Amino acid sequence: DAKTTQPTSMDCAEGRAANLPCNHSTISGNEYVYWYRQIHSQGPQYIIHGLKNNETNEMASLIITEDRKSSTLILPHATLRDTAVYYCIASPTGANSKLTFGKGITLSVRP
Amino acid sequence: SQTIHQWPATLVQPVGSPLSLECTVEGTSNPNLYWYRQAAGRGLQLLFYSVGIGQISSEVPQNLSASRPQDRQFILSSKKLLLSDSGFYLCAWTQGFGHSYGYTFGSGTRLTVV
Repeated sequence: DAKTTQPTSMDCAEGRAANLPCNHSTISGNEYVYWYRQIHSQGPQYIIHGLKNNETNEMASLIITEDRKSSTLILPHATLRDTAVYYCIASPTGANSKLTFGKGITLSVRP
Repeated sequence: SQTIHQWPATLVQPVGSPLSLECTVEGTSNPNLYWYRQAAGRGLQLLFYSVGIGQISSEVPQNLSASRPQDRQFILSSKKLLLSDSGFYLCAWTQGFGHSYGYTFGSGTRLTVV
């Protein structure tokens, strides 16, 4: 799986958009970009994933650059409950594929 | 709807004692199943995964083993626990053909070996 690079931490004000960057310059053509988050003492939660096109769901938006070497997860209106570690993962699909988690980025939402 | 159950939520075990953690999934068939561990202050480490009954792949050689006796049951075991086995153990599942639908994690078991 391609290695991803994320900043260690960032913060944003409650109610504002949180833009979380991720670099995956060695991503392969068959690898998707996945985002998960882990709130303290809980299991990771799936947020969103994409291959080439930008994606949006009820939780977030995922913007993938045209060359697919980087992406940004956007939480449009951050709340205090969005404080968590966010993981960006590049991985192929397939019966024997598996997710490898890095250190992620710690997002702190301040009141 | 699909649900994943993991138990117990917390466990304190002495060094050298055996371990058995169980994970079950409901509402789906032939899921891919995974065991992860998160040591204190560390990232998530994939321990084992299974794509079918009796099929176990080990990612990291260590003091643990896994079994899948039934389609939706995944068990993590140890014959003799070490202090270094302490951590937060998470079970996860996804649809059989890869994770295009995302992984769903259980609530985890926090194991302390004393």
